[in-house]
Amino acid sequence: AQSVTQPDIHITVSEGASLELRCNYSYGATPYLFWYVQSPGQGLQLLLKYFSGDTLVQGIKGFEAEFKRSQSSFNLRKPSVHWSDAAEYFCAVNPGLSNAGGTSYGKLTFGQGTILTVHP
Amino acid sequence: GAGVSQTPSNKVTEKGKYVELRCDPISGHTALYWYRQSLGQGPEFLIYFQGTGAADDSGLPNDRFFAVRPEGSVSTLKIQRTERGDSAVYLCASSQTRTSGIYNEQFFGPGTRLTVL
Repeated sequence: AQSVTQPDIHITVSEGASLELRCNYSYGATPYLFWYVQSPGQGLQLLLKYFSGDTLVQGIKGFEAEFKRSQSSFNLRKPSVHWSDAAEYFCAVNPGLSNAGGTSYGKLTFGQGTILTVHP
Repeated sequence: GAGVSQTPSNKVTEKGKYVELRCDPISGHTALYWYRQSLGQGPEFLIYFQGTGAADDSGLPNDRFFAVRPEGSVSTLKIQRTERGDSAVYLCASSQTRTSGIYNEQFFGPGTRLTVL
């Protein structure tokens, strides 16, 4: 069964500092990979996704993520954090085309989340 | 126009009671998903509808949980004989029609916070 691990439950950074949130997955093949952000009272918003191709993907709000197959990782980064980035971040996986015809289509498996606090 | 909506936003009930949670997907989206998010955890998949039928209900924890989507649009998640452990935020998401070889982004609603006393 696929699983997602976000090792850091809570991260605190200063505004303007760089950020890296870690995500490791366990799956037989390369799944589809996602990062979502959840602000209090808001629904989950997709930041970026990786399906194939260039391993460095750009997302919204200045975020990027790098897929490293050898490490089964998909870490989220931002060069300069803004106070409005304070939220909870979730990494998620989907089986991808290897199961596109199966019943797991669309099913997302999420990590437990990383809460980001930004200090002024 | 509108995104995924869920009602009620908050529901407080007593142990043993029956509850219904409603999800209104984005117009035209044929795929609909339910997830449950317990405190301090990421969302966990419950069930996925393609049209009116449940294509994957492998995440439903037991037979107290049931979901329907009779007309292929609005969905209702039903929980019988609620237990304190059912307390969580229930999230709904929808996506466009499934197309072979294409993954369609899921758009999430704000969730329903269920508290079982």
